[in-house]
Amino acid sequence: QKEVEQDPGPLSVPEGAIVSLNCTYSNSAFQYFMWYRQYSRKGPELLMYTYSSGNKEDGRFTAQVDKSSKYISLFIRDSQPSDSATYLCAMDNGNNRLAFGKGNQVVVIP
Amino acid sequence: EAQVTQNPRYLITVTGKKLTVTCSQNMNHEYMSWYRQDPGLGLRQIYYSMNVEVTDKGDVPEGYKVSRKEKRNFPLILESPSPNQTSLYFCASSDGWSGYTFGSGTRLTVV
Repeated sequence: QKEVEQDPGPLSVPEGAIVSLNCTYSNSAFQYFMWYRQYSRKGPELLMYTYSSGNKEDGRFTAQVDKSSKYISLFIRDSQPSDSATYLCAMDNGNNRLAFGKGNQVVVIP
Repeated sequence: EAQVTQNPRYLITVTGKKLTVTCSQNMNHEYMSWYRQDPGLGLRQIYYSMNVEVTDKGDVPEGYKVSRKEKRNFPLILESPSPNQTSLYFCASSDGWSGYTFGSGTRLTVV
């Protein structure tokens, strides 16, 4: 079983819809949880960083962490065509060695 | 502007010809790391460094070397590249508290 599981299937949504992405993990030592956005031919860009269970909101983005279920989610409200990208979850057990999911390609259709 | 700079962006080389990919950050970060990204495999860590002269292997270190002689620089060295090292490489740095900042990537092709 991989440490971090992220269903890589592409996701297409109409503009304005809510995008819901999630990852599961097996290593209970993970303490820090991140979501990165990666545009084609670019490096990953940090979107959200959290270290506790619960929700964290930043504009249209909400990150949710459930440590008891080993499950994290990212929600994008009022999605825009500019949100079309690959979204990667990443986790860290405190030693700054990140474990990444494989990424979800999201396409927002105008 | 705070950034991680990698060079070159694109590189085509032949099997066995030593090469170095440079990485520099201007944020005074202690932590630096190299990743490779391959289709279907995602991002995998090659090496990381917690400070000057402190480096350790990641998940896929075979065939790679690194050095950290200065805080801002963390070059990736391929002593004898092989075709299975054809990949997209990313350097990243962190202050240890707020996630990693990634460079723009180096696309390496080994023929």
